[in-house]
Amino acid sequence: EVQLVESGGGLVQPGTSLRLSCAGSGFIFDDHAMFWVRQVPGKGLEWVAGVSGNTGTIGYADSVKGRFTISRDNGKDSLYLQMNSLRAEDTALYFCAKGRGGGFYFYMDVWGRGTTVAVSS
Amino acid sequence: EIVLTQSPDTLSLSPGERATLSCRASQSVGSSYLAWYQQKPGQAPSLLIYGTSTRATGIPDRFSGSGSGTDFTLTINRLEPEDFAVYFCHQYGSSPQTFGQGTKVESK
Repeated sequence: EVQLVESGGGLVQPGTSLRLSCAGSGFIFDDHAMFWVRQVPGKGLEWVAGVSGNTGTIGYADSVKGRFTISRDNGKDSLYLQMNSLRAEDTALYFCAKGRGGGFYFYMDVWGRGTTVAVSS
Repeated sequence: EIVLTQSPDTLSLSPGERATLSCRASQSVGSSYLAWYQQKPGQAPSLLIYGTSTRATGIPDRFSGSGSGTDFTLTINRLEPEDFAVYFCHQYGSSPQTFGQGTKVESK
């Protein structure tokens, strides 16, 4: 069974950092692009960042560019999101999602259950 | 950045009726790289349609997608009780990828 499990969320103060992780299983990890998508409860989805299977292509939403860094360790079947200079508006449920193929321009065919990030003083 | 605008925000229908959801892009979506997802309360989104009109594995044929360029439609024929949910469109043809704000299909 294909599974994605996020971890690393929590309550942090504005201006601090947090690192999210996503562990993949049940598929060949480096054959697939991976993405982070966030959602404020009761609101819509916001694409945050994505990385191709071979890490050759990386992209970010304008709202996080320069503050967040997406990375992956294909040897550990894991995806990461390093979040620096956190703001209150970064508060959301963060989903990890698997791309259908290895290239960057793919839809997301499997999603994790998410990890909650709350930024508040 | 391609902005996706979905309409209406909410659709109130009865089981058995047809739902027509619209997704309009601020510029052409390359190669019809447009997907639709369904999200139910407390759950992660799940893939319904990709490539504008191809149903994902296990999705019943009452769901259909159409469109091109900047105008896309998700149609749900003969609504079933389990179809009442929020639906999001997603363009994955250019970076940054973007989502529409969602359409809630609720039971009248």
